[in-house]
Amino acid sequence: GAVVSQHPSWVICKSGTSVKIECRSLDFQATTMFWYRQFPKQSLMLMATSNEGSKATYEQGVEKDKFLINHASLTLSTLTVTSAHPEDSSFYICSAPGTSGSSGKNIQYFGAGTRLSVL
Amino acid sequence: GESVGLHLPTLSVQEGDNSIINCAYSNSASDYFIWYKQESGKGPQFIIDIRSNMDKRQGQRVTVLLNKTVKHLSLQIAATQPGDSAVYFCAENGGSYIPTFGRGTSLIVHP
Repeated sequence: GAVVSQHPSWVICKSGTSVKIECRSLDFQATTMFWYRQFPKQSLMLMATSNEGSKATYEQGVEKDKFLINHASLTLSTLTVTSAHPEDSSFYICSAPGTSGSSGKNIQYFGAGTRLSVL
Repeated sequence: GESVGLHLPTLSVQEGDNSIINCAYSNSASDYFIWYKQESGKGPQFIIDIRSNMDKRQGQRVTVLLNKTVKHLSLQIAATQPGDSAVYFCAENGGSYIPTFGRGTSLIVHP
């Protein structure tokens, strides 16, 4: 199946610094990718839709200046958490849509996630 | 639609038992449904899918049942093993390109 690589898997940073998370589709192209945030014991919360070559679409309540998304190529989307604060600590996950081999319909291929801890 | 930021319900089972995880969806126009498994500290992974023109689909040890009348989806895991311990999410494609995830259920398998 398709593989999505997410890096880093874990990052600790000081309050006020910025952190960049990369999401790569390794063996397929993705004009669209999705970024999620997940708190412990909770579901996935869609933050934004990353669009190759154009601006990202943010969900209501997500600060676009806080969470900068860049999708400069068909295989790479980045999420930068700017001026991170402890409340930004969370598990961030990306996904890219691809075709399910069994049904031919779109499914999401997820990265392994990034655990961000802001001190 | 959007995912719900509520604490996950939990299902505890004994190893070897069958597990049934339920999911309700809201969009009657959804024509495709997927189950994902998320192990601790990892991203979700595809398990099985079903189109709306079917009411049952079987995989290896897993079966998905779809009841469109009551907009209900279930995932059955046969002979549950400790490695099945994870959070399970259902997702629906209601025509929008954006995936809509259900609340999720935490499955705990006791040896």
